[in-house]
Formats: sequence, C-alpha cells, structure tokens
Amino acid sequence: AQSVTQPDIHITVSEGASLELRCNYSYGATPYLFWYVQSPGQGLQLLLKYFSGDTLVQGIKGFEAEFKRSQSSFNLRKPSVHWSDAAEYFCAVGAGGGADGLTFGKGTHLIIQP
Amino acid sequence: DSGVTQTPKHLITATGQRVTLRCSPRSGDLSVYWYQQSLDQGLQFLIHYYNGEERAKGNILERFSAQQFPDLHSELNLSSLELGDSALYFCASSVDVRDTEAFFGQGTRLTVV
Repeated sequence: AQSVTQPDIHITVSEGASLELRCNYSYGATPYLFWYVQSPGQGLQLLLKYFSGDTLVQGIKGFEAEFKRSQSSFNLRKPSVHWSDAAEYFCAVGAGGGADGLTFGKGTHLIIQP
Repeated sequence: DSGVTQTPKHLITATGQRVTLRCSPRSGDLSVYWYQQSLDQGLQFLIHYYNGEERAKGNILERFSAQQFPDLHSELNLSSLELGDSALYFCASSVDVRDTEAFFGQGTRLTVV
C-alpha cells in the first residue's frame, strides 16, 4: 500500500524568505504525486502534479516541486513566500492515476512571519 | 470557487442518527470522490464513482454508503452515527476516471453530539 510522510507538522518562514516543504512517499510503481493547499475553511486546491517526464514541475502561485526517485521525495519549493501563502499543505500520491483515490500526508502547517 | 458544490456546509446531529451529504460536481465532470478529514486520521479516501458506477473503495465504513445519480450528483449516506464520525467530508470531481486533477468542494462539517 502507498503512504506519504510529511515530516514537518509546522514550519515558520519570514515573509520574502524561501520555502521548502518536505514529502516522502512509498509506492511500488511510478507514482502520481500531488501537492494541494488548504486555506482555513476552504477546500483543497491543486498546486501542482507529477506524472512522468521532467522531474521539476511548475505549479500555480509560484510553487515548484522536484521528483527524486532515488530519495522517494517530492519536495515543494517557493523562492519567496507571501503572507497569503499561510495555509495547510498536503502532499499526496495517487494509485491508478488517481482513480483509486489519493493517499494524503498529514499536512504541513505554514506560518508566515512578518 | 472550484465549481463543486456541497450541501449542507454544516450539520449537527445526535449519535445513532442518519444523515445525507450532497455533492454536485463541476459541469461536465463524470467522476466524484468522497474524502473524510479528521484530526486523528487526516484526509482519507472513502469512495469513487464514475458515471454512476462505483469505481474504487477506500477506508469507508460499512455504516456509510454512497451513490451517484443519473444527473451525476452524488450523495454520501452516514448511518448509526458515532462521535468519532465528526469530521469534514469533502467531495471532489474530475472529468474522467483517470483525470487526476480533482477539484474539491468546500466540504460539509459534520458534528455528532
């Protein structure tokens, strides 16, 4: 069975600083990988996804993620965070192209300091 | 706005009761997924319907059931409710069975007292 680990429950970053959120996955085949963001009281919004090809994927809101098969990682990065980036971030792996549902990590709560 | 509509937004009910959560997918989307988000379990996949047929099941309890109707809206039925069923229930939709960009609704917050 697949699993996702997000080692950091909370991360605090100063506004304007760079950000990296960690995600490690366990999956037997080539994974479908996703990052979602959840703002308070909101549903989840897809930031980016990786299926195959270029291991560096660009997403919305200036985010990018790099797939590293050797490390079973899919870390999310942003060069300069804004106060509006404060939210909960979820990494997920999908089986069957997502048809069998997504397995989510526990999430990382991002706090932005002024 | 994702285009996925969930009703009601909030629901408070007593233990042992039965509730129905409703989801209207984005226009044109054939797939509907249900997820449960709770503090202790996190986000868990419950079930996936595609064009009216069940496609995949996740950690869905036997007390829970779902269906997707000919107009593609879906309902999640939760019965014999327990305190531990209190959670945020999300519906997501996508265009087809393997289109993995799923769009999430804002969820229904269920509180069982």
